[in-house]
Amino acid sequence: EAGVAQSPRYKIIEKRQSVAFWCNPISGHATLYWYQQILGQGPKLLIQFQNNGVVDDSQLPKDRFSAERLKGVDSTLKIQPAKLEDSAVYLCASSWGDGADTQYFGPGTRLTVL
Amino acid sequence: DAKTTQPNSMESNEEEPVHLPCNHSTISGTDYIHWYRQLPSQGPEYVIHGLTSNVNNRMASLAIAEDRKSSTLILHRATLRDAAVYYCILRFGFGNEKLTFGTGTRLTIIP
Repeated sequence: EAGVAQSPRYKIIEKRQSVAFWCNPISGHATLYWYQQILGQGPKLLIQFQNNGVVDDSQLPKDRFSAERLKGVDSTLKIQPAKLEDSAVYLCASSWGDGADTQYFGPGTRLTVL
Repeated sequence: DAKTTQPNSMESNEEEPVHLPCNHSTISGTDYIHWYRQLPSQGPEYVIHGLTSNVNNRMASLAIAEDRKSSTLILHRATLRDAAVYYCILRFGFGNEKLTFGTGTRLTIIP
């Protein structure tokens, strides 16, 4: 069974530029999550989708971050404009059903903002 | 959210058992105890979870105290590939409550 796919694996941008990350969850998984992991910390949930709908985006900085999940499958996370403090690993995860199910994580995208 | 307390780091010798502790004195009756681990340069992966009884799977065992205020993840025979950050997380058993990661325990395996 293929795991969660993410691209790119690494990205370096200047502050105030825009960046987008892509995630393809495990086939059939209804719920998709985006996490931000700053160096030395545990992952922090940014947004959770169930199928096409947003379940929780309470910790998403909506003035600069946006996410969408088209057709309930792939998802993109965008940052516009980026700040230095956005430097982090962005992890995508998916699960079969609701948030109580086991989550399967992708390898992450390491973003460096200069 | 109920909180967990874990040591920042631990070391263990290869091929020996490892006991990773977690304290959760404010756990509620409906909170499950989950363990995830994160190997270097990878996303977290599920290890095990339980509610009241001890649990075993192919990766590890989870021993839960009778009062549920603490638990221990047991790796029966550590290998170098078990070097990772281990997260102990409390989570309501149903619905969409999110996984709230702390800083975890960094486990170093000594060859």
